[in-house]
Amino acid sequence: QVQLVQSGAEVQTPGASVKVACKASGYTFTTYSMHWVRQAPGQRLQWMGWINPGNGNTRYSQMFQGRLTITRDTSATTIYMELSGLRSEDTAVYYCARDTGNTMPFHHWGQGSLVTVSS
Amino acid sequence: QSVLTQPPSASGTPGQRVAISCSGSVSNVGSKYVYWYRQLPGTAPKLLIYTNNQRPSGVPDRFSGSKSGTLATLAISGLRSEDEAEYYCAAWDDSLRAWVFGGGTKLAVL
Repeated sequence: QVQLVQSGAEVQTPGASVKVACKASGYTFTTYSMHWVRQAPGQRLQWMGWINPGNGNTRYSQMFQGRLTITRDTSATTIYMELSGLRSEDTAVYYCARDTGNTMPFHHWGQGSLVTVSS
Repeated sequence: QSVLTQPPSASGTPGQRVAISCSGSVSNVGSKYVYWYRQLPGTAPKLLIYTNNQRPSGVPDRFSGSKSGTLATLAISGLRSEDEAEYYCAAWDDSLRAWVFGGGTKLAVL
């Protein structure tokens, strides 16, 4: 079965960077697009960007342009989300989510990784 | 990035039918598919409805989706206590070139 297992919680100081991992298993890694979605405490879901694991192509939300990098390691079947220039407003749970084809976005989700930005 | 509008709360009694709205614009709901997700506290969202009105396998037919113009609706019939959750709509936005989510609707089963 499809499993997306994310790395653990992180505490970072303002201005630092954070890198969150999402290891996929149970399917052919390169077949489906993967997204990063975040949720600040008590807030709505916010799409950050996606990657095509097959060719590495990415698209980012304009809200994170210049601060966000999504990469993949096909040998490790893992995608990564790196966010730089952290500020307190970046405190959130970060989720990876996998599509199924073009009709079912965010079909499978990781368990979430809490990133806390605090001095 | 608050382009999809949902009521913050909804409620019903067991067995009732409840409808949750999601209002957007021509650049998202009006021209793109709408998706619905359910999120229980402390857990990841779960896909409930895709392409406006389709249910993934395992989702009961008590859940249905519809869309008219720039308004989408999630209906839950035969309400159960386990339906208490936060419900989010989502759509691609052609103007923003981004996926956008509604603010979420917290459903209470009284």
